[in-house]
Amino acid sequence: DTGVSQNPRHKITKRGQNVTFRCDPISEHNRLYWYRQTLGQGPEFLTYFQNEAQLEKSRLLSDRFSAERPKGSFSTLEIQRTEQGDSAMYLCASSLASFTTGLNTEAFFGQGTRLTVV
Amino acid sequence: QQPVQSPQAVILREGEDAVINCSSSKALYSVHWYRQKHGEAPVFLMILLKGGEQKGHDKISASFNEKKQQSSLYLTASQLSYSGTYFCGTAAYSGAGSYQLTFGKGTKLSVIP
Repeated sequence: DTGVSQNPRHKITKRGQNVTFRCDPISEHNRLYWYRQTLGQGPEFLTYFQNEAQLEKSRLLSDRFSAERPKGSFSTLEIQRTEQGDSAMYLCASSLASFTTGLNTEAFFGQGTRLTVV
Repeated sequence: QQPVQSPQAVILREGEDAVINCSSSKALYSVHWYRQKHGEAPVFLMILLKGGEQKGHDKISASFNEKKQQSSLYLTASQLSYSGTYFCGTAAYSGAGSYQLTFGKGTKLSVIP
């Protein structure tokens, strides 16, 4: 396993178009996170999954954003009707969490997908 | 709620020491420290659990004061390779059986010869 994989690495799209990103986590990891990062800022939480269940979604997240993890493996993040303000790096991270370890295990990040909306 | 990091930026000469602080207004489950170099993904450094645990990683160590909801990252005898942006991530209960890992805005560390 080579780690968390994200595709595509770069995406340029016109305002108003829909885009979809994919994240393949480390195979045995049951928890998957999506973050958004803009220049000079820390990763901003978007949503996370425990297996196939989406446990939380940021209140700041517009209804134009949706994420899925249908079989508890890879995940997709879709942005509908993109806006220039959506331009950012979208990071995916995964970790192995259990009842006993909870969040006490490291999250591994992918290289991210850089979205530019023109 | 996002943890607060300080300082926002620091410049060190090789061999000097630095401390980066992270504080939260929420009761924390654990604190995670990451380093990110320009154009790369954040890389995990260490996790600190409740109980004031102090951990070390080469010449980088950290502490966690559970009562104060604060963590500090200590970099001793800094090396050029330490340059990057350091993020603390705080894990806290966000309700309905959900725990969220939230990151601060980061501290940019520059080590110069």
